[in-house]
Amino acid sequence: DTGVSQNPRHKITKRGQNVTFRCDPISEHNRLYWYRQTLGQGPEFLTYFQNEAQLEKSRLLSDRFSAERPKGSFSTLEIQRTEQGDSAMYLCASSPPPTTGELFFGEGSRLTVL
Amino acid sequence: SQQGEEDPQALSIQEGENATMNCSYKTSINNLQWYRQNSGRGLVHLILIRSNEREKHSGRLRVTLDTSKKSSSLLITASRAADTASYFCATDANTGGTSYGKLTFGQGTILTVHP
Repeated sequence: DTGVSQNPRHKITKRGQNVTFRCDPISEHNRLYWYRQTLGQGPEFLTYFQNEAQLEKSRLLSDRFSAERPKGSFSTLEIQRTEQGDSAMYLCASSPPPTTGELFFGEGSRLTVL
Repeated sequence: SQQGEEDPQALSIQEGENATMNCSYKTSINNLQWYRQNSGRGLVHLILIRSNEREKHSGRLRVTLDTSKKSSSLLITASRAADTASYFCATDANTGGTSYGKLTFGQGTILTVHP
């Protein structure tokens, strides 16, 4: 049974460029979450999907951020016109039905904006 | 914004000693969870305690929850060098029903266990 997979693991980009991260949840997990973690801090909730429906978005998710989960399987998180403040670890997590509340996290995608 | 405040921010102990980390939070909760994170890696779930529970054990882990004080503690007994990591508490504030996984994390405690 494979865990949550995230790609790429590391991304270095120049300010103003667009980046996209992909998350493949554990199969049959219907809920998928994106969190952001900056250095020395705990993760912060960004958004959450149940199947293909995006049910909640944090105000941290500005207009430059968009997340999708077509067909309720993998998800992508795109950041347009990156800024240096976007540098962070982007963590994806999933949970099965019925949920116990426990989240299964991937290894994260680290973004560095120069 | 972070709901949880963790104490201490860093803890350094010798192998075999016990490690205690504390977490305080601000709102009513459905459950409180503890996660572990090795440097540069993802988070691993350790234990979940529901709002109607006061204490829970899992292996060398013991978690307590005091909802009147809005606080929790994580005790790791007989620590090992491999326990070196950051430990985060996370609260699920969805008191209306089933947890749906929107967690609010504390800033974490960095635990170093010296061999």
